Amino acid sequence: EPEVTQTPSHQVTQMGQEVILRCVPISNHLYFYWYRQILGQKVEFLVSFYNNEISEKSEIFDDQFSVERPDGSNFTLKIRSTKLEDSAMYFCASIPFTGKNIQYFGAGTRLSVL
Amino acid sequence: AQSVSQHNHHVILSEAASLELGCNYSYGGTVNLFWYVQYPGQHLQLLLKYFSGDPLVKGIKGFEAEFIKSKFSFNLRKPSVQWSDTAEYFCAVIPIYGGATNKLIFGTGTLLAVQP
Repeated sequence: EPEVTQTPSHQVTQMGQEVILRCVPISNHLYFYWYRQILGQKVEFLVSFYNNEISEKSEIFDDQFSVERPDGSNFTLKIRSTKLEDSAMYFCASIPFTGKNIQYFGAGTRLSVL
Repeated sequence: AQSVSQHNHHVILSEAASLELGCNYSYGGTVNLFWYVQYPGQHLQLLLKYFSGDPLVKGIKGFEAEFIKSKFSFNLRKPSVQWSDTAEYFCAVIPIYGGATNKLIFGTGTLLAVQP
């Protein structure tokens, strides 16, 4: 079965540094999502992306965050200047089209900001 | 704002016991409903879904869930749990409205530990 792949599985960074989290969605999927889960809290929506632009973003997704699909296969989440409170598990998900609302998730990247 | 509530944060059961995990959501319109499971160290996997039709839906590994529209509930059940069901279970909702981007709204999750 096709899978969403996320790299790295664990990223450790210093506060104030930039990080890029990478995702390779399933190849024929068109809609992409980032979610995050702070330890002990619920999974929260960050942003959705379609047709090379953001279609919806949450209040969490401020100017420190950006997303990109640089080459037609990767889907990246960049945090420009990490804060301690950005430490979380970040999940990428994708769906083929809006008529089929089953999101396929990657295994996640655990981001630790020191 | 739309939200999803899961009543049980941590459940401990013995093998062969029956399971019911509660889930309620707050949205008055049409919804798609999901239960995801996350086994230790693994990604979120779809357990079952409800889009329309029969409100009793069956998923993988013997799980089922019942959508009760009047109660805004989508409780997960399994008649007899196994040790391998130890995992975290997430209820999630997609509110359907014009312009929706199909973002999932998750509950806080329920950690299920099944003792052999």
